[in-house]
Amino acid sequence: QQQVKQSPQSLIVQKGGISIINCAYENTAFDYFPWYQQFPGKGPALLIAIRPDVSEKKEGRFTISFNKSAKQFSLHIMDSQPGDSATYFCAASLSSGSARQLTFGSGTQLTVLP
Amino acid sequence: DAMVIQNPRYQVTQFGKPVTLSCSQTLNHNVMYWYQQKSSQAPKLLFHYYDKDFNNEADTPDNFQSRRPNTSFCFLDIRSPGLGDAAMYLCATSSRWDRGSTDTQYFGPGTRLTVL
Repeated sequence: QQQVKQSPQSLIVQKGGISIINCAYENTAFDYFPWYQQFPGKGPALLIAIRPDVSEKKEGRFTISFNKSAKQFSLHIMDSQPGDSATYFCAASLSSGSARQLTFGSGTQLTVLP
Repeated sequence: DAMVIQNPRYQVTQFGKPVTLSCSQTLNHNVMYWYQQKSSQAPKLLFHYYDKDFNNEADTPDNFQSRRPNTSFCFLDIRSPGLGDAAMYLCATSSRWDRGSTDTQYFGPGTRLTVL
């Protein structure tokens, strides 16, 4: 019930195209859904995040769509650029005692071709 | 400005030789986390500190220990590294009370550990 399922495992998109990564969760106690971007050899960096009372959040070229009833959320990268090539992790968070517990999806390796 | 700093960035150790990785933060966050990330996998939480309170994940091996001498610093000690402990070790912080930032975890750049 703590699992977050992410797909696809890898994604290849042409420059200027739309990249879409999907995630699904089971535990309705999750109350915060961040996306992290990770470049090789670097730590994950927060990209964008959403709470379940909002159906969509947009920041620049990045949009999260959230479907609470289906327990699914997705990341859309518009006008994808070669510099967006990285691994993307969705995550789900809930309060656990003294801290927030972050459950990661398995990651999507995105390659944007020039 | 760096907010979560990890040293060293790369660490090579020998099988069974103790090693210590360090993490420091300038965010004054009261929660610090240690994650292990193996190649092509998601980060896996090892343990976290809420202030000085230590919280171990149930499946974290006894070989892994941690110390937090003050708010800014946290250490990961691997008492007897095995070949299977070769990984990227990530430190992260969050603020228990900073609801406005929606409880974000901020990650350091990681330390890549190689075990020979």
